[in-house]
Amino acid sequence: ETGVTQTPRHLVMGMTNKKSLKCEQHLGHNAMYWYKQSAKKPLELMFVYSLEERVENNSVPSRFSPECPNSSHLFLHLHTLQPEDSALYLCASSQDRDGEQFFGPGTRLTVL
Amino acid sequence: AQSVTQLGSHVSVSEGALVLLRCNYSSSVPPYLFWYVQYPNQGLQLLLKYTSAATLVKGINGFEAEFKKSETSFHLTKPSAHMSDAAEYFCAVSETVGSNFGNEKLTFGTGTRLTIIP
Repeated sequence: ETGVTQTPRHLVMGMTNKKSLKCEQHLGHNAMYWYKQSAKKPLELMFVYSLEERVENNSVPSRFSPECPNSSHLFLHLHTLQPEDSALYLCASSQDRDGEQFFGPGTRLTVL
Repeated sequence: AQSVTQLGSHVSVSEGALVLLRCNYSSSVPPYLFWYVQYPNQGLQLLLKYTSAATLVKGINGFEAEFKKSETSFHLTKPSAHMSDAAEYFCAVSETVGSNFGNEKLTFGTGTRLTIIP
């Protein structure tokens, strides 16, 4: 595997389900990100992780819970989601200050 | 706070014609600016970036963008459109998040969908 991978690519879940999205980066980067991409809206940064700290967007509902067990893996745990949470969830990673983030292909989430 | 405005959610050009995608930004500090492209069912790919060096930035696939401070613009151009350029394009501006780590927080525009007419 190369670059940034995300699984699953597609996920359909009910509002009472609990599921997790997985992201793995094979680039040796030391920061990872979760974004939400909804139709006709800008990409929304949800969470940023580095080796030593997590930076959260305070507007992210608590039904989204990130986990970063090491610098290569990032999870997004989902529970009791709402239909408006249906979107493409993108993971990215980066190294250094040049701001170049490498994106995964995304997980298309549909909440019924 | 930084922000990005992309004028035109949809742009159509004929194959071989000039591509011009508009981006204006606001920033309280000298910005870093980026253009990303997203092909169907794929993640975002960096086309080019401006990091306070040359104002005319050349990227991949024949694209380039010019940073104009006086106009707060960073428009993306390509002299001759190709069918493979059909995609969604995102302009982004960065600010730093975190304490001493310095990773960039990207603020994206709403995107412009480029259609190429044969």
